[in-house]
Amino acid sequence: ETGVTQSPTHLIKTRGQQVTLRCSSQSGHNTVSWYQQALGQGPQFIFQYYREEENGRGNFPPRFSGLQFPNYSSELNVNALELDDSALYLCASSLDRVGEQYFGPGTRLTVT
Amino acid sequence: GESVGLHLPTLSVQEGDNSIINCAYSNSASDYFIWYKQESGKGPQFIIDIRSNMDKRQGQRVTVLLNKTVKHLSLQIAATQPGDSAVYFCAERTAGKSTFGDGTTLTVKP
Repeated sequence: ETGVTQSPTHLIKTRGQQVTLRCSSQSGHNTVSWYQQALGQGPQFIFQYYREEENGRGNFPPRFSGLQFPNYSSELNVNALELDDSALYLCASSLDRVGEQYFGPGTRLTVT
Repeated sequence: GESVGLHLPTLSVQEGDNSIINCAYSNSASDYFIWYKQESGKGPQFIIDIRSNMDKRQGQRVTVLLNKTVKHLSLQIAATQPGDSAVYFCAERTAGKSTFGDGTTLTVKP
């Protein structure tokens, strides 16, 4: 059974640019949640996707958007990058909306 | 909104000792809590969970205690090993959304 994978592992972007992060959910999981983890802090919930629909959103501006595909993999898109967007972005998949979450290793985004 | 916080940002213990990591939460309606372990370069890993209808739950070498009166939970690790060195988070889970505290870094000295 393949676990949750994320790509890329890390990347560097310039303020104002756009970025797309990818997540492949664990086999059989139909729900993906995205979190932002700033250095030294706990993860903060961005949003959750269930069967290709957004199912809950945290306190993040609209320039954070996402997609979930029919195979339940997911993308996180961030437009107009700001320096404070520098963080580790984690995705977690689960069997359903409230099931145990399995986290990927994260994508480290640095905005300069 | 709800918040979850940890009492100590760092904890250092001797190998073989027991470790206790504490956490407080603010939302009295919270009914599901999870402890995670995060090692360097990895995502959080589920350790143990507890629902509000329980006061205590035990796993392998770990015990979680929940005190709803004072809105406090703790993670106890028995016979702490070097492999237990990591950042530990408590999280409250409501409707699929997890709210994490800021983590306690546990260092195990050989």
